[in-house]
Amino acid sequence: GENVEQHPSTLSVQEGDSAVIKCTYSDSASNYFPWYKQELGKGPQLIIDIRSNVGEKKDQRIAVTLNKTAKHFSLHITETQPEDSAVYFCAASLKTSGSRLTFGEGTQLTVNP
Amino acid sequence: NAGVTQTPKFQVLKTGQSMTLQCAQDMNHNSMYWYRQDPGMGLRLIYYSASEGTTDKGEVPNGYNVSRLNKREFSLRLESAAPSQTSVYFCASSREVGQFFGPGTRLTVL
Repeated sequence: GENVEQHPSTLSVQEGDSAVIKCTYSDSASNYFPWYKQELGKGPQLIIDIRSNVGEKKDQRIAVTLNKTAKHFSLHITETQPEDSAVYFCAASLKTSGSRLTFGEGTQLTVNP
Repeated sequence: NAGVTQTPKFQVLKTGQSMTLQCAQDMNHNSMYWYRQDPGMGLRLIYYSASEGTTDKGEVPNGYNVSRLNKREFSLRLESAAPSQTSVYFCASSREVGQFFGPGTRLTVL
C-alpha cells in the first residue's frame, strides 16, 4: 500500500519567517495530496490540496508544490504568525481507492512571537 | 450547517466493556470514515464507507465493527474494549476528495 513520510516532526520559527514541511510518497499512482492543520483538542482541518496534474498551488500565505518525478510534495507558509502554531499533516490518495487517504505522521509547528 | 458531529466527546471504559461511537454529517456526502489518532503515529484508517450500504476495512480494523445506518450516520463499535484501544477517534466525510473531520472522541480504556 501507500506510504507517506513527513519531515520534520517538529519545527520552530520566529514570527514573520517562512516554514516548509516536506512529504514523500511511495505509490506513483497517487493523484491527490491534501494538507491538514490540527489545533489542540480539535479535528484536522483541510487547508490546501493539490492534484497530480498541477505543480504548484497558492492560497494567500500558504502554498503547496508537487514533484511527481521525485514523489514528494511540500507545504510552504510565508510570513508566519503565532496562530499558525499547530500540527500539520500531509496525505496522499491512490486513484484505485477513491478518496481513501494515507497520512504522514505530522509536524508540530511552533511560531514564536 | 453543523458539518460532522461526534458523540460522546469523552469516554472512559473498563477492559471488556462495549460501546458505540456515533457520527453524523449534514453535508450530503457519500463517503464516511473512522480514524484513530495516537501520539507520533498520525491518523490511521479503521473502517470506511464509500456509500450507503457499503463498508470496508482500513489499516487497523481489528477489534472494531461499523454500521452505515443511512447516508448521514456512521457508527463505530468496540465489542470488548482493550487498553490498546485508548486513543482519540475521528470521524470524517467526503463527496469525492477533501475529507472533513469531526471534533473527535477521546476514549480511555482502563
